[in-house]
This record gives sequence, structure tokens and C-alpha cells, in this order.
Amino acid sequence: GNSVTQMEGPVTLSEEAFLTINCTYTATGYPSLFWYVQYPGEGLQLLLKATKADDKGSNKGFEATYRKETTSFHLEKGSVQVSDSAVYFCALSSNNAGNMLTFGGGTRLMVKP
Amino acid sequence: ETGVTQSPTHLIKTRGQQVTLRCSSQSGHNTVSWYQQALGQGPQFIFQYYREEENGRGNFPPRFSGLQFPNYSSELNVNALELDDSALYLCASRVDSLSYEQYFGPGTRLTVT
Repeated sequence: GNSVTQMEGPVTLSEEAFLTINCTYTATGYPSLFWYVQYPGEGLQLLLKATKADDKGSNKGFEATYRKETTSFHLEKGSVQVSDSAVYFCALSSNNAGNMLTFGGGTRLMVKP
Repeated sequence: ETGVTQSPTHLIKTRGQQVTLRCSSQSGHNTVSWYQQALGQGPQFIFQYYREEENGRGNFPPRFSGLQFPNYSSELNVNALELDDSALYLCASRVDSLSYEQYFGPGTRLTVT
């Protein structure tokens, strides 16, 4: 079956530091890959997506590249802000699973001023 | 703001009781999915409804059931509540079952005592 593994948190960084959150996946077929963000007390917001190999998703300074050869979709940002503090979820969906989302366990990011 | 709303925001129930959670999808979205997010974990897929029929189900027992209505609203019903049912319940809507982009509501926090 499909599965997503992401690095455990919390990740604590100082403002303007470089961020990497690792995500790897196992899936049959050709999944689409996503990063969602969850701010305290809120639901999930789609941060970025990539639908095929070598695609790069980007939004709000965050980037992730769909690497089929390493089955990875690592999230990066060059300079984090305090407002980026949240929980980040890597997820995939595939046509052979009804396009339901399979999520990783989440990584809490804490950015200190 | 995704246009997806859920009610109630919070709910406290006693073990053995029944609960109904509600979701209002974006207009024109004929597919709705429900997810359970236990504290500190990623969301888990419960089931999906497409044009008022269930067309996908995760690893949840039959006491989790749902309904979808023609006015883009839906319900999640849970019978015989157990302590482990305490979680954030999220609904997500999308244009159709082939679309990979899902829009999440803010969730209902259910506490079972």
C-alpha cells in the first residue's frame, strides 16, 4: 500500500535559517505529491504540489522537487520566519487509490526570533 | 479560506454515545472525504463520497458511516463512541473524484470521555 515517511520533529530554527524537512514515499503507480501546513487550532492548508517526476512545487518561498529515483519530496525554504511556525505534512495521492490522501506523521517547525 | 465549513467546532461526548459531525463543501464540489487526525499524528482517511454514494473507505469499522446531500453538505456519524475516537475530524471537498486538489475545512475537535 501507499505510505509516507517524514522526519520527526520538532525542528527548531532561528529566524532567517535554512529549512529542510525530509519526506520519502512508497506508492504504486505515479502519485501526486503534496505539502500541507497546519497552523495552531486550524485545519490543513495546501502549501504546494507536484504531479509528476522532476516537477518543482513552490509557494510562499517554500519549494519541493518530485524525485522519482529517490522517492522523495523534501521541503525547503531559504530563510524561515517566525510566522512559518506550524506543523507540516507531506502527503501523496494516486489514481489507483481513489485519489485519497495518504499523510506522513507531520513535522512541527518552531522558529525563534 | 477554503470555503469549506464544519460544525460544531468542539464536541464532548461520553463513551457509548453517538455523534454526528457536519461539513459544507464548496459549491460545485461533488466529492467529499473525511479524515481522522489523532493528536500528534497525520490525518487518516475514513471514507469518501461521490455524488451521494460512498466510493472509497479506509481502515475504519462500520460504526463510522456517512451521508452526502445534493446541496454539497455531508455528515459523518460515529456510533458506540470509544475513547480512541477522540480526535480532530476533517472534511475535504474537491471538484470531482479524479481531481487531486482537496480543500480542507477547519475540523471538529471530538473528545470522548
